[in-house]
Amino acid sequence: DQQVKQNSPSLSVQEGRISILNCDYTNSMFDYFLWYKKYPAEGPTFLISISSIKDKNEDGRFTVFLNKSAKHLSLHIVPSQPGDSAVYFCAASAYGGATNKLIFGTGTLLAVQP
Amino acid sequence: DTGVSQDPRHKITKRGQNVTFRCDPISEHNRLYWYRQTLGQGPEFLTYFQNEAQLEKSRLLSDRFSAERPKGSFSTLEIQRTEQGDSAMYLCASSYMQSNTEAFFGQGTRLTVV
Repeated sequence: DQQVKQNSPSLSVQEGRISILNCDYTNSMFDYFLWYKKYPAEGPTFLISISSIKDKNEDGRFTVFLNKSAKHLSLHIVPSQPGDSAVYFCAASAYGGATNKLIFGTGTLLAVQP
Repeated sequence: DTGVSQDPRHKITKRGQNVTFRCDPISEHNRLYWYRQTLGQGPEFLTYFQNEAQLEKSRLLSDRFSAERPKGSFSTLEIQRTEQGDSAMYLCASSYMQSNTEAFFGQGTRLTVV
């Protein structure tokens, strides 16, 4: 039962262009969503998050959009840089679960070509 | 404080042996989590501590697994009688206690059972 889905295992974009990574979820109790970036043999690094009371959150080159009715969120990276090449994980948690435990998707490997 | 620290980074063990991993969270964080990541998957929640109390355990955490967080500081994860299926990256994360707050991950311990 995959509650958080990232249907694109990989994505390749040119340096300077926009990268759009997508994530879908099934559990309507999720109300907090996060994106993590992971390099090989390293732990995930927090990038950006969004609460369900918002539909957009921006931090520098990174913007996360949330569409609650579609149970869909996306991460936009503009402009993409070669150093952005990594695996990106979408994660979700449910308020009131008292733990803030995260449910992760399977990840999307982003390759930014110079 | 430089972040979440895990030790060792790598562990190779023979099937049937016991192993223990250590996690030092960010000092002001009350919550500590253990996750496991296998190839091609996102991190999967194993267990969670709030201060020294272990408040939730995933069904992934079989009887061979035990975790402790004495005095609410560092945590240990022990696997007894290791099996080849235990080979994975074991990730520790910590966060503040309030809801909807990001968790910060350590670099992980890569376990290989031969």
